[in-house]
Amino acid sequence: QKEVEQNSGPLSVPEGAIASLNCTYSDRGSQSFFWYRQYSGKSPELIMSIYSNGDKEDGRFTAQLNKASQYVSLLIRDSQPSDSATYLCAVNMISFSGSARQLTFGSGTQLTVLP
Amino acid sequence: DGGITQSPKYLFRKEGQNVTLSCEQNLNHDAMYWYRQDPGQGLRLIYYSQIVNDFQKGDIAEGYSVSREKKESFPLTVTSAQKNPTAFYLCASSIGGTSGASYNEQYFGPGTRLTVL
Repeated sequence: QKEVEQNSGPLSVPEGAIASLNCTYSDRGSQSFFWYRQYSGKSPELIMSIYSNGDKEDGRFTAQLNKASQYVSLLIRDSQPSDSATYLCAVNMISFSGSARQLTFGSGTQLTVLP
Repeated sequence: DGGITQSPKYLFRKEGQNVTLSCEQNLNHDAMYWYRQDPGQGLRLIYYSQIVNDFQKGDIAEGYSVSREKKESFPLTVTSAQKNPTAFYLCASSIGGTSGASYNEQYFGPGTRLTVL
């Protein structure tokens, strides 16, 4: 079965530090990769999408993709307490039934930024 | 404001009841999705629809049903056949289809929390 794996954490970093979140996936044919942020009790919010190998930067966030290693990561620079949330990695993969591509989500990494 | 709305926010179901969760979007998106999230777990796909009057089963469709009579609306019915329905239900939409990179970006509604009494 196609999978997306994340360290569940919790990951704790001090305020101002860089938080590094990692994700591996099993489908070599995947072309679209996403990071969602989910605050406790709320719905996921799309914060980054990446489609090509390399880095993509948006403000304090940088997504990194290495298709050869089947690895995608999210870096959060100058971490703030407001960044404390669960971060979900999502990959567009062949469905369980094999009939179409669909987003497959990891179980998420819980990040806590300590003041 | 463009967005996705879900109602109700909280829903309580008695054993043997069918309940319907509402999802509406005004983003003019073609594709809509229903996911289920259990505590400490990722999202699992229940059903999705790429176009009006068409929908496909996801990984955990048993005990659920959907309809897509209008582009803006994609209601989910949790039937009595779903043995463990207590979960957080999330509706999402995307521009459309499964081709084209950015067309896959999915945006979520606020969710409905369903509890079985």
